[in-house]
Amino acid sequence: LAKTTQPISMDSYEGQEVNITCSHNNIATNDYITWYQQFPSQGPRFIIQGYKTKVTNEVASLFIPADRKSSTLSLPRVSLSDTAVYYCLVGSLNTGFQKLVFGTGTRLLVSP
Amino acid sequence: DSGVTQTPKHLITATGQRVTLRCSPRSGDLSVYWYQQSLDQGLQFLIQYYNGEERAKGNILERFSAQQFPDLHSELNLSSLELGDSALYFCASSVAGQREKLFFGSGTQLSVL
Repeated sequence: LAKTTQPISMDSYEGQEVNITCSHNNIATNDYITWYQQFPSQGPRFIIQGYKTKVTNEVASLFIPADRKSSTLSLPRVSLSDTAVYYCLVGSLNTGFQKLVFGTGTRLLVSP
Repeated sequence: DSGVTQTPKHLITATGQRVTLRCSPRSGDLSVYWYQQSLDQGLQFLIQYYNGEERAKGNILERFSAQQFPDLHSELNLSSLELGDSALYFCASSVAGQREKLFFGSGTQLSVL
């Protein structure tokens, strides 16, 4: 199972772009990179998923370099409501992704 | 709203007791996953069922058991409860073949006193 490393916390201000980087040096060929967002006392919510290069949806972008040993979640123009914990997970059905521990994630605090 | 329903939302019980947590997956989702989240341990995978069959097992205690019924809803049974079992228990579901996109319910907060 690919181990991931993320910063424990980040601070930002409203309107700024936030980039959260996740390291996953032993990512396997079949592994996908998935990011989740969790608010207090709520279940994690899927944000974005990618395999390589760049993926963009209505809420975020995911940048994955060619070696896939890291990935960066980019949140454009954050608001107070983006204050949450963000988890990076790497895995696939082949590597038992469901057994991944979400870990402590990155606590993002957005201030006015 | 993720479409995954968990009941009850809150549960308060005493040590030594047994409780059952219920999860209804999103319509059409065949896989159900159970996770435990405590303050000091993060979100930990317990067990997965796929179309009624156990598919994967994580750090689930022997005092805990689960099953998935023909209508695809799932129950997590926790017995001989200890203070340390107090946690948020989440259920998630996914569609087979949809890669690893999990949809989580809002959880059951279990307090063992």
